[in-house]
Amino acid sequence: DSGVTQTPKHLITATGQRVTLRCSPRSGDLSVYWYQQSLDQGLQFLIQYYNGEERAKGNILERFSAQQFPDLHSELNLSSLELGDSALYFCASSVPDPAQFFGPGTRLTVL
Amino acid sequence: KNEVEQSPQNLTAQEGEFITINCSYSVGISALHWLQQHPGGGIVSLFMLSSGKKKHGRLIATINIQEKHSSLHITASHPRDSAVYICAVRPTRVPRISGGSNYKLTFGKGTLLTVNP
Repeated sequence: DSGVTQTPKHLITATGQRVTLRCSPRSGDLSVYWYQQSLDQGLQFLIQYYNGEERAKGNILERFSAQQFPDLHSELNLSSLELGDSALYFCASSVPDPAQFFGPGTRLTVL
Repeated sequence: KNEVEQSPQNLTAQEGEFITINCSYSVGISALHWLQQHPGGGIVSLFMLSSGKKKHGRLIATINIQEKHSSLHITASHPRDSAVYICAVRPTRVPRISGGSNYKLTFGKGTLLTVNP
């Protein structure tokens, strides 16, 4: 158990819909990272937050947004969903320890 | 060309064999991670390296910064080692005035290891 929690575990929705994925980092970790893992692209970095501020952006679509709240939990919002958004979404946390600890992931299926 | 290349893509071994998975990268890095992903999907961080060699149980990870190459070795492999092994690099860190740093990771495609009894 990494200490990082993600909800929900599975999410099935339809094209055009909007969903919110939630991540609670390990106690004391200030950074949260979001990653997308699809069959064809592998793991890709989406976005990082540090203590409530956006720190780095990767291959995140404009339809996706994220935020980190004062209690350090983070949410990833995915809107106008397309079939190609079906993937595993992981969050990880770190800092002060630079090693990243991954959550169990949310499996999103868009029908 | 990907910034991080792993080989082989797939590896099948018999229980007890010594296994090596390779990772080459093309960017300057401040650290390299080896991750393990089991069939259920969960990801576990095995090692974080910036130089030399680390050992944990039957797992050994080495890195050669000059050659931009890392290897993950598994001694006395066991069926429970069957998983996808992923190499990830953290590009050279750029310090930020406001504190905290960018620890963005770039991932290889992974090596699927199957160890048969």
